[in-house]
Amino acid sequence: GQNIDQPTEMTATEGAIVQINCTYQTSGFNGLFWYQQHAGEAPTFLSYNVLDGLEEKGRFSSFLSRSKGYSYLLLKELQMKDSASYLCAVIYGGATNKLIFGTGTLLAVQP
Amino acid sequence: DADVTQTPRNRITKTGKRIMLECSQTKGHDRMYWYRQDPGLGLRLIYYSFDVKDINKGEISDGYSVSRQAQAKFSLSLESAIPNQTALYFCATSDLPGRGYNEQFFGPGTRLTVL
Repeated sequence: GQNIDQPTEMTATEGAIVQINCTYQTSGFNGLFWYQQHAGEAPTFLSYNVLDGLEEKGRFSSFLSRSKGYSYLLLKELQMKDSASYLCAVIYGGATNKLIFGTGTLLAVQP
Repeated sequence: DADVTQTPRNRITKTGKRIMLECSQTKGHDRMYWYRQDPGLGLRLIYYSFDVKDINKGEISDGYSVSRQAQAKFSLSLESAIPNQTALYFCATSDLPGRGYNEQFFGPGTRLTVL
């Protein structure tokens, strides 16, 4: 079966750096997404990794190791508005390109 | 205007009633999806459609049906609603593989409560 694991909750301080980990086991791999979701709102796209390495996008970076089935999202210079759930999602299934989501990590940023 | 819209945004209904949730998109994408989100379970795929003539079951399709009326419209129906179908429902769209990141774009969600 397909499985994605993320920590359920994390807490960090405004201005700090936080790393949210994601491990996956899927039949096939066509890429990995990170989405941000504020409470009661739609998920919004943050990043995409398909090759090993680090992708940087402003305050947000995402890393992928395909051999380890592992990714992390790094958030720098945390702001209060970064308090949200962060969803890891993997595209698998060859041509069907289906997406499986982790249960999300709820990040609370404290002053 | 939002690229992906859902109606209604909130709905309370009773057990046994038939409910339809509608999704429309202006992104010109061929692929559309319906998910439900429950606390602690994340987003789970109900149905997906890669074009008007292509409908596929997701991981939790029992109790649901869909209709792809046009490229821009994808509806989800609960034929006879039951309380454990109480959830937040999201519609999403994506472009064809190979175009950009192929990420999915989500509508604002429909909060459905079945009493």
